[in-house]
Amino acid sequence: DTEVTQTPKHLVMGMTNKKSLKCEQHMGHRAMYWYKQKAKKPPELMFVYSYEKLSINESVPSRFSPECPNSSLLNLHLHALQPEDSALYLCASSQRGQASLYNEQFFGPGTRLTVL
Amino acid sequence: GDSVTQMEGPVTLSEEAFLTINCTYTATGYPSLFWYVQYPGEGLQLLLKATKADDKGSNKGFEATYRKETTSFHLEKGSVQVSDSAVYFCALPLQGAQKLVFGQGTRLTINP
Repeated sequence: DTEVTQTPKHLVMGMTNKKSLKCEQHMGHRAMYWYKQKAKKPPELMFVYSYEKLSINESVPSRFSPECPNSSLLNLHLHALQPEDSALYLCASSQRGQASLYNEQFFGPGTRLTVL
Repeated sequence: GDSVTQMEGPVTLSEEAFLTINCTYTATGYPSLFWYVQYPGEGLQLLLKATKADDKGSNKGFEATYRKETTSFHLEKGSVQVSDSAVYFCALPLQGAQKLVFGQGTRLTINP
């Protein structure tokens, strides 16, 4: 299994809703990532988990809450989002938990989020 | 700091044309370099990579050579197809961190 899966594929939510995005990989990778991608822009890193511990938070607002229940799963809990949070949310994983020059990342297909 | 500069798009070509997408980088040391591709409505896929100077990465007819002298990693393909229409991102890992630095992306459209 060489892929990263994400659910749901599409999500529409109101500003008062609570929802979660899920990401799963079965490649034995020890680092997992959340990215946000706006239209016609490159992905922007949000969070990095390394060996199931949060290692990087790129000053993301607290309405986004990541969780790594085990080495294969990564969640992103959403609460009280704003319309400008509408974007494609990408999950990625890489083999090594520590920083490495050879640490290529494998991306999932993304969740297209719309906040009304 | 480390950065990647990509040629601005969009780029429109006819099928079977030759493709070059320019990418130059600024980095301390000699990081790996990557090209990612994003097809419409999908996530990013690693297209090819090079891990040291003079390495040539290749995949699906695409090639890129890691040029230390010119700090470049240009993407080339000899004969493009309609199915190559996508957005292409050049990227490098930030030294000492688990971050990927992306270029701005180049949107490629191939007309039949």
